Amino acid sequence: GAVVSQHPSWVICKSGTSVKIECRSLDFQATTMFWYRQFPKQSLMLMATSNEGSKATYEQGVEKDKFLINHASLTLSTLTVTSAHPEDSSFYICSAYKGEGVDTQYFGPGTRLTVL
Amino acid sequence: QKEVEQNSGPLSVPEGAIASLNCTYSDRGSQSFFWYRQYSGKSPELIMFIYSNGDKEDGRFTAQLNKASQYVSLLIRDSQPSDSATYLCAPKGDSSYKLIFGSGTRLLVRP
Repeated sequence: GAVVSQHPSWVICKSGTSVKIECRSLDFQATTMFWYRQFPKQSLMLMATSNEGSKATYEQGVEKDKFLINHASLTLSTLTVTSAHPEDSSFYICSAYKGEGVDTQYFGPGTRLTVL
Repeated sequence: QKEVEQNSGPLSVPEGAIASLNCTYSDRGSQSFFWYRQYSGKSPELIMFIYSNGDKEDGRFTAQLNKASQYVSLLIRDSQPSDSATYLCAPKGDSSYKLIFGSGTRLLVRP
């Protein structure tokens, strides 16, 4: 199997606070994980690529100081939304690259963030 | 021009019919092509992938790839109401693990 979990599944926070989202590969080691954001009725937008033990690579237009990514182990990557504002409210989804065969990404169930 | 283009739909088909979903891409360096299904409020789940020109069949699903035309499609035979979802096309380049997602086609299968 290739199971990816995310925690929490949903979170509501006040404007100005920081929120941490965890992404775990449960039954395989993931050298590379990806973080996406999806606004309602829009497609997935890649935010950053996270490699274990190194700094994340952010896509153009994504603020690296606002969206902190840490990939501390082969099974865990975290995304911290710092000083969240209502416009950061979105569906955040991680995926993990299994690293064998055709390089398929397996997606976590997503985290719905609402910033009040 | 968008990197990946899909008709947003909705594509409405009756139960039991064949649903045909199309996708064009601009990056000629794309080597692998993935189709994901996404139900409303859920994350994408992999349907199938294809990397060689021609057809690839997996159960009720057939992916078709034409690299010369930069075109990939997904056929769903014997469509079921449970197939109603948004289908995302995602090419992948040879030198990167990144997937570039299209905006998706919403499929409605009428009972």
